[in-house]
Amino acid sequence: DVVLTQTPVSLSVTLGDQASISCRSSQSLEYSDGYTYLEWYLQKPGQSPQLLIYEVSNRFSGVPDRFIGSGSGTDFTLKISRVEPEDLGVYYCFQATHDPYTFGAGTKLELK
Amino acid sequence: QVTLKESGPGILQPSQTLSLTCTFSGFSLSTYGMGVGWIRQPSGKGLEWLANIWWDDDKYYNPSLKNRLTISKDTSNNQAFLKITNVDTADTATYYCARIETITTYFDYWGQGVMVTVSS
Repeated sequence: DVVLTQTPVSLSVTLGDQASISCRSSQSLEYSDGYTYLEWYLQKPGQSPQLLIYEVSNRFSGVPDRFIGSGSGTDFTLKISRVEPEDLGVYYCFQATHDPYTFGAGTKLELK
Repeated sequence: QVTLKESGPGILQPSQTLSLTCTFSGFSLSTYGMGVGWIRQPSGKGLEWLANIWWDDDKYYNPSLKNRLTISKDTSNNQAFLKITNVDTADTATYYCARIETITTYFDYWGQGVMVTVSS
């Protein structure tokens, strides 16, 4: 199975700061069709996960442009510029390139 | 408007079979490319993908649960189902269903989740 390693486990920020989360894969996430099926989800406290980013860097409908996904192959990053209160929660990376699909263990974004 | 809602037994005993239902609206599982997935989350822990079912009745399972999973659908009633046999306390979790499409492979709409406790 593909292992996704997220760092850090938790991140304490001040509102307005930038936050950066890393997701490293145990194997390349580029599929044979040339696409890379790496996604980012945010789970706010008491809520279901919500899709933020798909195919590494594409923002899902309604996601603010302060969320920026990047990377390729096995190394991926989610940056949040100017953290706002509604950004707090647990961020998960997820891969759908290889069966079985797998999630990273999560990164908790909290206020300093 | 796409919505999904999970339902389940709430509590069951070890060795029993867990039956979950996902009732959805706003899309059809008979439409080309549509799918529903199941994901679970033990309390305070991370997410685990369990299974997907597709419009053409193709099914994919997480092999970590070996042969305990069965996913199915009732297209006419807009429902998807997941059965887990021989449950134990490690299956205690919140179970989510979510919509997925083959062309995108992301879970774009999620249900609110249903808590399931396995306890003797």
